[in-house]
Amino acid sequence: GESVGLHLPTLSVQEGDNSIINCAYSNSASDYFIWYKQESGKGPQFIIDIRSNMDKRQGQRVTVLLNKTVKHLSLQIAATQPGDSAVYFCADHPRTLTFGKGTMLLVSP
Amino acid sequence: DAMVIQNPRYQVTQFGKPVTLSCSQTLNHNVMYWYQQKSSQAPKLLFHYYDKDFNNEADTPDNFQSRRPNTSFCFLDIRSPGLGDAAMYLCATSRGGGGPNFGPGTRLTVT
Repeated sequence: GESVGLHLPTLSVQEGDNSIINCAYSNSASDYFIWYKQESGKGPQFIIDIRSNMDKRQGQRVTVLLNKTVKHLSLQIAATQPGDSAVYFCADHPRTLTFGKGTMLLVSP
Repeated sequence: DAMVIQNPRYQVTQFGKPVTLSCSQTLNHNVMYWYQQKSSQAPKLLFHYYDKDFNNEADTPDNFQSRRPNTSFCFLDIRSPGLGDAAMYLCATSRGGGGPNFGPGTRLTVT
């Protein structure tokens, strides 16, 4: 069936490093993708989104890249901070939002 | 601030005792969603309302029902909670096909 998944369950980085979280999707009809950050005990928080007519979108310290050819997207976080520690989900939105499994980002000082 | 509000934040119910979780929004969004999230898992969509139209996911158990009396409020009813229904329940809203905004969630414990 259709799925949205992430390659790595946990990513550990040092404060100040750049982080890259990857995500694969399988639904060719997906035309809208969102990255969420979820801290323990809280609801998912919108980080950045991208539509399928774009390859790249930048926000504050975050960049999302979309490669439709291989059905892959990534979230890049520049100068990672301890406050960035959380689980990151990618989600696709062809009709309703479907979440991938999540990657836990651990940032050590 | 415009937001999605969920009450209560923590709910304890007994096995088989009906329970209702509440969600309200001040965003005036026309779409409201209910997700179930179990420990260390991604949120799973249970159902959503597009305006007044109810859309149930195919694998959502009949034990879960929802009501949306008006634009601002949406309720999740669990008719006979089982131990496997213990989870975080997340309400979210969106305007049309935009990215959903999530509430803080209600953590349900079933004893």
